[in-house]
Amino acid sequence: NAGVTQTPKFQVLKTGQSMTLQCAQDMNHNSMYWYRQDPGMGLRLIYYSASEGTTDKGEVPNGYNVSRLNKREFSLRLESAAPSQTSVYFCASMERDRGEGNYGYTFGSGTRLTVV
Amino acid sequence: DQQVKQNSPSLSVQEGRISILNCDYTNSMFDYFLWYKKYPAEGPTFLISISSIKDKNEDGRFTVFLNKSAKHLSLHIVPSQPGDSAVYFCAATNAYSGAGSYQLTFGKGTKLSVIP
Repeated sequence: NAGVTQTPKFQVLKTGQSMTLQCAQDMNHNSMYWYRQDPGMGLRLIYYSASEGTTDKGEVPNGYNVSRLNKREFSLRLESAAPSQTSVYFCASMERDRGEGNYGYTFGSGTRLTVV
Repeated sequence: DQQVKQNSPSLSVQEGRISILNCDYTNSMFDYFLWYKKYPAEGPTFLISISSIKDKNEDGRFTVFLNKSAKHLSLHIVPSQPGDSAVYFCAATNAYSGAGSYQLTFGKGTKLSVIP
């Protein structure tokens, strides 16, 4: 099925460990995003990539790095995990529609990360 | 500073009645607004949107109203069904500026419970 695929779905890390969250979309979208969702905080933007080859910081980028590997894939890396990074991470993609179309995102199903 | 506010963390409604979810925004540059629905352990899914040139948009049981002067929008669900029980996120963006990557700014969400 077309959409956004995130791996892994669940992960437990120890403080100080590193890991990469993977995201791939098969809709040929230009823009991709990483959000985190915390209880009572809604969805907050970590990093985004407006197009292949570009990345920019969002609202909460500290402690993260990203790579837009190609048009399909956008990964999020935690170099030294901290308990404050325990969260649910969502990847999303969007194709700009200049008409009256939908400017919304297509989200993946999320990665639930726990840092102990 | 929260630019998109959903002041009701939760809402309970009887099946068949109307559900009204509210959202306020502070950034006057926002010109496109969306509602997302999220079930537990899934990613948010797009529900309905409205551009700032309109004051109402309908899609089946769902209607979004926009009051630009009050910087307020609302989502009406009529009639409400048990399957509508989910967390609803309001989101906003500056979509028509011709620049940027159309980042969505989300509210904290409202948990809707439809009681059979």
